[in-house]
Amino acid sequence: DVKVTQSSRYLVKRTGEKVFLECVQDMDHENMFWYRQDPGLGLRLIYFSYDVKMKEKGDIPEGYSVSREKKERFSLILESASTNQTSMYLCASSLARAGANVLTFGAGSRLTVL
Amino acid sequence: QKEVEQDPGPLSVPEGAIVSLNCTYSNSAFQYFMWYRQYSRKGPELLMYTYSSGNKEDGRFTAQVDKSSKYISLFIRDSQPSDSATYLCAMSGTGANSKLTFGKGITLSVRP
Repeated sequence: DVKVTQSSRYLVKRTGEKVFLECVQDMDHENMFWYRQDPGLGLRLIYFSYDVKMKEKGDIPEGYSVSREKKERFSLILESASTNQTSMYLCASSLARAGANVLTFGAGSRLTVL
Repeated sequence: QKEVEQDPGPLSVPEGAIVSLNCTYSNSAFQYFMWYRQYSRKGPELLMYTYSSGNKEDGRFTAQVDKSSKYISLFIRDSQPSDSATYLCAMSGTGANSKLTFGKGITLSVRP
């Protein structure tokens, strides 16, 4: 069974703390993505990566950075967490190919910043 | 105008009802049309996808695309309480690694 695993399901952090969200996929997918999901706003793309050590900004990259040192792992970093980053964070992966870009999502990491 | 618009809901129906979920879009380059289902406290999972216009059926679910009207629908027949979830439409072009554009999702509740 293919999987995208997000290591932390629930986190509570304080304003100003550095936060790492880890995502690992076992499907040998080239593409990996980080989204945040908020009520009324839907899914918003933060960053994505089409290859190891490669990253591209999505629609809302401000306040975030990413790291992809290995093909299977894509990390989202909040350098200095703020309360407006309280959200559900979803990692996803997909195969690099033409045609339908079918994403497989992880279960999500719910982050609360106090 | 947003690229993808989806009725915000929520939607509540009795068990056994036929449910129609809809999205409209503005980008005529979209060729792949997907429906994801998301249960509470879980990530979205792909329900089905279609390419270009037409219908696709999978059990109680039918996806329909009308490119001339830029309108897509997901029909659920004989709805069950287990269908209670958030449904998100998503669409993309045909290029390699074409980015997905999602609707905001609609929450469906099927009452026993």
